[in-house]
Amino acid sequence: DTAVSQTPKYLVTQMGNDKSIKCEQNLGHDTMYWYKQDSKKFLKIMFSYNNKELIINETVPNRFSPKSPDKAHLNLHINSLELGDSAVYFCASSYSSGGNSPLHFGNGTRLTVT
Amino acid sequence: EDQVTQSPEALRLQEGESSSLNCSYTVSGLRGLFWYRQDPGKGPEFLFTLYSAGEEKEKERLKATLTKKESFLHITAPKPEDSATYLCAVPRGSGTYKYIFGTGTRLKVLA
Repeated sequence: DTAVSQTPKYLVTQMGNDKSIKCEQNLGHDTMYWYKQDSKKFLKIMFSYNNKELIINETVPNRFSPKSPDKAHLNLHINSLELGDSAVYFCASSYSSGGNSPLHFGNGTRLTVT
Repeated sequence: EDQVTQSPEALRLQEGESSSLNCSYTVSGLRGLFWYRQDPGKGPEFLFTLYSAGEEKEKERLKATLTKKESFLHITAPKPEDSATYLCAVPRGSGTYKYIFGTGTRLKVLA
């Protein structure tokens, strides 16, 4: 049973296109996240939702729009893709214990913008 | 400013050659330090949480320790399957869910 699953695993697209990444977790967690991992393997938080409410919105371009239809799902839509958006995007989930609950990650979506 | 620094950046060991990875942190009011393992093409996998100085956690050949300024991940008699990137992370701030990650240590264990 996959705990945190993301689709697609790979996404290759051209500049200017719009794309979406989907994430689902079956761990019963109430908090979900989007992280971006750059080529140097640095993980940086982008967004976090707690029970469908946006609680973290880092300095991310407006072209990125997350949506959480329920606490088990978190999607990321990206408009007008740019070369610099190429990275691996990870979805994660945890319990809302004020930062003491470990994150559980999906296996990532490798986005390549050409 | 809250910060997490890991060293070394990369480490090559012979099978059976024990060593330690370092994670130094500066954060006000530590509420836990997390260790993760990341294999190529996969997401980080949770290993340990340490909450207070002096605490130790063990799992197979791995042992994590914590002081007031840093954490060590000791690897005893490593095997090739221990090869991975090891990441540490701390939650930042109070009542938030922002985890600051270090840039990781890429470990390669040679047979």
